[in-house]
Amino acid sequence: GAVVSQHPSWVICKSGTSVKIECRSLDFQATTMFWYRQFPKQSLMLMATSNEGSKATYEQGVEKDKFLINHASLTLSTLTVTSAHPEDSSFYICSAPPGVATYEQYFGPGTRLTVT
Amino acid sequence: RKEVEQDPGPFNVPEGATVAFNCTYSNSASQSFFWYRQDCRKEPKLLMSVYSSGNEDGRFTAQLNRASQYISLLIRDSKLSDSATYLCVVNRDYGQNFVFGPGTRLSVLP
Repeated sequence: GAVVSQHPSWVICKSGTSVKIECRSLDFQATTMFWYRQFPKQSLMLMATSNEGSKATYEQGVEKDKFLINHASLTLSTLTVTSAHPEDSSFYICSAPPGVATYEQYFGPGTRLTVT
Repeated sequence: RKEVEQDPGPFNVPEGATVAFNCTYSNSASQSFFWYRQDCRKEPKLLMSVYSSGNEDGRFTAQLNRASQYISLLIRDSKLSDSATYLCVVNRDYGQNFVFGPGTRLSVLP
């Protein structure tokens, strides 16, 4: 089946630094990818929709200048957390639908970010 | 009101028990519905899609009532390996954006 990978799987960084998370579709092309954030004991919250060849669409309350999204190719989307703070510590998960005419989603394994 | 609401849980049940989870959604334009399971510190995994006619996959049965905007999941003969958080997921309008419910945690006890 379709596979989505994320890198890194976990990262620890210092407050004020930037962290880049990659999301790749391994055996299919994804014109759209989704980025979610999950805080402990909470559900996944959609942060933004990453669109290949155009700007990302951010959910209300998500700062686009802080969470930079670049959909560089049909198989890669990156999320950069800029000037990270401890409150950004979370589990970041990406997903991608295997096609435009499907409601299926394939999820990456997630990236656990800890900001100290 | 949240877009997707679920039983708060947690549910602690003995092996072999039957357990039912409930979910309601607020957007009547939602088109597709799913149950996902998520193990601790892992990504969500699709358990099953939910159709108006109801569907069954082994020990799992899902039902959808569009009029009531209600979705259910029934697990029969619970196994220890069923312990996880069960997420009710609804798509937004006609897009591919998913809205996740808060999840209901299930612990199946020996």
